[in-house]
Amino acid sequence: DADVTQTPRNRITKTGKRIMLECSQTKGHDRMYWYRQDPGLGLRLIYYSFDVKDINKGEISDGYSVSRQAQAKFSLSLESAIPNQTALYFCATSDNGGANTGELFFGEGSRLTVL
Amino acid sequence: QKEVEQNSGPLSVPEGAIASLNCTYSDRGSQSFFWYRQYSGKSPELIMFIYSNGDKEDGRFTAQLNKASQYVSLLIRDSQPSDSATYLCAVGFNDYKLSFGAGTTVTVRA
Repeated sequence: DADVTQTPRNRITKTGKRIMLECSQTKGHDRMYWYRQDPGLGLRLIYYSFDVKDINKGEISDGYSVSRQAQAKFSLSLESAIPNQTALYFCATSDNGGANTGELFFGEGSRLTVL
Repeated sequence: QKEVEQNSGPLSVPEGAIASLNCTYSDRGSQSFFWYRQYSGKSPELIMFIYSNGDKEDGRFTAQLNKASQYVSLLIRDSQPSDSATYLCAVGFNDYKLSFGAGTTVTVRA
């Protein structure tokens, strides 16, 4: 089983619908992130959380919200989806210990299409 | 916003050749530098990280860092068809958030 699991893997929805993407991890990492990937734009940070009580906006947080339900779970919500939120979304984790290299461990991605 | 720029692709190299990928970054406070490989339809995976000026070698991969020039590169020696992928440059700061470049797609011709 993958260490970082995202659900759903693929989702097609309509403009205005509320969507939740879920992420769970078994790596024991405190730090979790949500990125979106668009062709030609690379990975852009939406939100990140360094522990259960810590939530921070990334560079493109407008239109998104997150919830850190537990150390292992970090969900991303689109309250009212719009077509330009069509993208590939990645959840990632990283360690915060003394050996932290900053390496991110990615989930398999959730492809969202908003019609 | 911290900017990370990569040389535009796609980059096509013959099998056995050296593929050279370049990345520049805007923030002089950047402390850690990463190269991720992403196969089509897959998630990124780390192949190299480097913190200090100079070269770091791992098998067929060499990362080079020049902080004065704000430049980091990746060399892939003896390129193989399995190296065909998009390579993402990422730059980290003291809070360990990473900023990514747009990626360079490499195709190795058999």
